Amino acid sequence: AQSVTQPDIHITVSEGASLELRCNYSYGATPYLFWYVQSPGQGLQLLLKYFSGDTLVQGIKGFEAEFKRSQSSFNLRKPSVHWSDAAEYFCAVLTGGGNKLTFGTGTQLKVEL
Amino acid sequence: ETGVTQSPTHLIKTRGQQVTLRCSSQSGHNTVSWYQQALGQGPQFIFQYYREEENGRGNFPPRFSGLQFPNYSSELNVNALELDDSALYLCASSLSGPRRNEQFFGPGTRLTVL
Repeated sequence: AQSVTQPDIHITVSEGASLELRCNYSYGATPYLFWYVQSPGQGLQLLLKYFSGDTLVQGIKGFEAEFKRSQSSFNLRKPSVHWSDAAEYFCAVLTGGGNKLTFGTGTQLKVEL
Repeated sequence: ETGVTQSPTHLIKTRGQQVTLRCSSQSGHNTVSWYQQALGQGPQFIFQYYREEENGRGNFPPRFSGLQFPNYSSELNVNALELDDSALYLCASSLSGPRRNEQFFGPGTRLTVL
């Protein structure tokens, strides 16, 4: 069955420090992968997506992610975190013939000033 | 371009009641998906509608039902509400097609069942 694992439930980083959020997926076919961010009480905002091609994808707000097929991973990175990046981050894979997003349980990011 | 909108923002119901949640898709999008996000969890896929027909369903009982209208807006109906139905319900719209599966989410409806 398709699944997404985000091993880190909570991460705390200092403002200005680098960030890496981990995501591992289980999916038999070529995956379509996404990272979304959710601020408290809000819906989901798409940060970036991977469909094919270059395995390093750039997103909004200075985020990037690297697809590694050999490791079944799609980790999210940012070189310098801002206090406004504090939120919950979800990794997702498109499954069900392209009509269903399967999400991980999320990583809550706290930024210390 | 108008984004995905949902109504109401918040809703409180009692166990056994019925509820209808509404979603207007982003301009030009013909596909609507519904997700349930329980507290502390990732969103779970309920179902998707394309051209007014159900186009995939997650592991939810039949008391969760939906509709899509000719203008691509959608409703989620839940009958016989249970306490565990308390959650944030998210609607997402997208374009059909193999390379157009990016889903854009609305702000959600927070449902509390007492």
